[in-house]
Amino acid sequence: GDSVTQMEGPVTLSEEAFLTINCTYTATGYPSLFWYVQYPGEGLQLLLKATKADDKGSNKGFEATYRKETTSFHLEKGSVQVSDSAVYFCALSDNSGGGADGLTFGKGTHLIIQP
Amino acid sequence: ETGVTQTPRHLVMGMTNKKSLKCEQHLGHNAMYWYKQSAKKPLELMFVYSLEERVENNSVPSRFSPECPNSSHLFLHLHTLQPEDSALYLCASSQQGRLGGYTFGSGTRLTVV
Repeated sequence: GDSVTQMEGPVTLSEEAFLTINCTYTATGYPSLFWYVQYPGEGLQLLLKATKADDKGSNKGFEATYRKETTSFHLEKGSVQVSDSAVYFCALSDNSGGGADGLTFGKGTHLIIQP
Repeated sequence: ETGVTQTPRHLVMGMTNKKSLKCEQHLGHNAMYWYKQSAKKPLELMFVYSLEERVENNSVPSRFSPECPNSSHLFLHLHTLQPEDSALYLCASSQQGRLGGYTFGSGTRLTVV
């Protein structure tokens, strides 16, 4: 079945550091890939997405590129802020029509940014 | 406000109680989901409703019973829960055929005592 593997945290960085959170996946067909972010006490928010190979999703300074050859969707940000502290989830949907199969999530990576 | 509203935000219940979680969306989506989020574990998909029809998930114990009376509302009825059922229960919605991902509610933090 489908699965998503992401680095487990916590990941602790200083403000303005470069961030990479690795994500790899296994899936049949051509999945859509997502990064979600969860701030303390809240639900998940869509951060960015990519729906086909070589697509780059970007939002709020975060980027991720859909790499089919390495089955990866690593999240990057050039300069993190304290407000980026949260839990980040990589996810895939294996129904290209966005159908009702549900998303498959990684375990989440807790990111802590220190001033 | 994400467009998906869950109530209550927090719930403490005894193992013999019966309670219900409510989810409401006004995004015009036609699919709704229940997820369970426990510490140190990936989010677990519990139930899916597509066009108001349930997609079965056989791994969910029968003490959890979903209900979807219309495309905007989703309930999770709880009875005779166990302490290990304590978790954050998240509702989400999506539009089939649109590659926009899912919109999540803020969740209900459930504690079973």
